[in-house]
Amino acid sequence: NAGVMQNPRHLVRRRGQEARLRCSPMKGHSHVYWYRQLPEEGLKFMVYLQKENIIDESGMPKERFSAEFPKEGPSILRIQQVVRGDSAAYFCASSPLSGTQGAKGYTFGSGTRLTVV
Amino acid sequence: AQSVAQPEDQVNVAEGNPLTVKCTYSVSGNPYLFWYVQYPNRGLQFLLKYITGDNLVKGSYGFEAEFNKSQTSFHLKKPSALVSDSALYFCAVSSSSASKIIFGSGTRLSIRP
Repeated sequence: NAGVMQNPRHLVRRRGQEARLRCSPMKGHSHVYWYRQLPEEGLKFMVYLQKENIIDESGMPKERFSAEFPKEGPSILRIQQVVRGDSAAYFCASSPLSGTQGAKGYTFGSGTRLTVV
Repeated sequence: AQSVAQPEDQVNVAEGNPLTVKCTYSVSGNPYLFWYVQYPNRGLQFLLKYITGDNLVKGSYGFEAEFNKSQTSFHLKKPSALVSDSALYFCAVSSSSASKIIFGSGTRLSIRP
């Protein structure tokens, strides 16, 4: 079991470009969560998705950010027209059941570190 | 709304001494409580969780946490610290009816030889 796979590990974008972050959940996991970690800060919830559905996007900025989890393929977090303040580590987590019903809560990926220059 | 507070940004302990990392929470309903650890440039690793049952929960790497309902706390403890325990520790909470886990701001644990 390869765990939660995130790619790329590091991503550099110029201001105004688009950033696409990918997350493949653990095998058998159909629930995906995205979190953002700013330097020296905790994790902030962004969005919770199940296959083809957004369940909770209460932590997503209203503009430029979107997420999807298609029937086939990884979950994608998309940031349009990136700004320097988007520089952060973005973590994806997955679970086999909704919320906290899994034995270990969530399983986290190693994150994508986005740097906007 | 649920929230979790970690009042200490950093905790420094000598190797071999006991350690405590503090956490308090606020949630409507019964809490689901977690501790995760993050090593540099890595994702979060699960340490332990409390849902129901014994107030003292044992987890990975010799860590344990004590649930105190009256004080709404879930402090992380270890009887004898190791230098390799140095990392960033996150407390997290979810309500029984919510589906997302909310994390605290993290506490950096530094164990000196």
